Amino acid sequence: SQQGEEDPQALSIQEGENATMNCSYKTSINNLQWYRQNSGRGLVHLILIRSNEREKHSGRLRVTLDTSKKSSSLLITASRAADTASYFCATGGKTSYDKVIFGPGTSLSVIP
Amino acid sequence: EAQVTQNPRYLITVTGKKLTVTCSQNMNHEYMSWYRQDPGLGLRQIYYSMNVEVTDKGDVPEGYKVSRKEKRNFPLILESPSPNQTSLYFCASRTSGNEQFFGPGTRLTVL
Repeated sequence: SQQGEEDPQALSIQEGENATMNCSYKTSINNLQWYRQNSGRGLVHLILIRSNEREKHSGRLRVTLDTSKKSSSLLITASRAADTASYFCATGGKTSYDKVIFGPGTSLSVIP
Repeated sequence: EAQVTQNPRYLITVTGKKLTVTCSQNMNHEYMSWYRQDPGLGLRQIYYSMNVEVTDKGDVPEGYKVSRKEKRNFPLILESPSPNQTSLYFCASRTSGNEQFFGPGTRLTVL
């Protein structure tokens, strides 16, 4: 299985602090994606990092990928209450038709 | 606006009464999927479709059917729903670069 596993399962921080979530996976991947889900709603794609990339930025988001350790991290800087959500990593296979497998998610609470 | 729509958003039904959850996307994506999300189990893929008339089982296909007669539509069919199919269901379509667009979800309760 190439399932992603997020760590920690739950994270609670104060507004303004940085939040870091980690994801580990088991097999070779073509890309890794991070998604956000607000309670009971659909997932929203945040960022995709390819296997030949080591770091990617998008606004307050920074994603790293270490293929030798089969791990990725998502850093949210200067967190806001609106960042409160569940965050999922998802791994994609070698072809664009390979299954994308989601991890169980990290629940982030940002306290105002 | 690029989007995936699902209907209905909420449904309460009884065991054995056939139902269909519709899904439609307007992005001309070839690849579409259905997922169910349950507490502690995350997102699990039910069925997927790589193109019109091409569908295949995901991780938890038992009790579900799908069809893909047109590129934009991918309905999920429960022929004889049971209480263990009570869940939050998401349809998604995907770009060739693997970015997935999710629908708003359908919360199904089977009594």
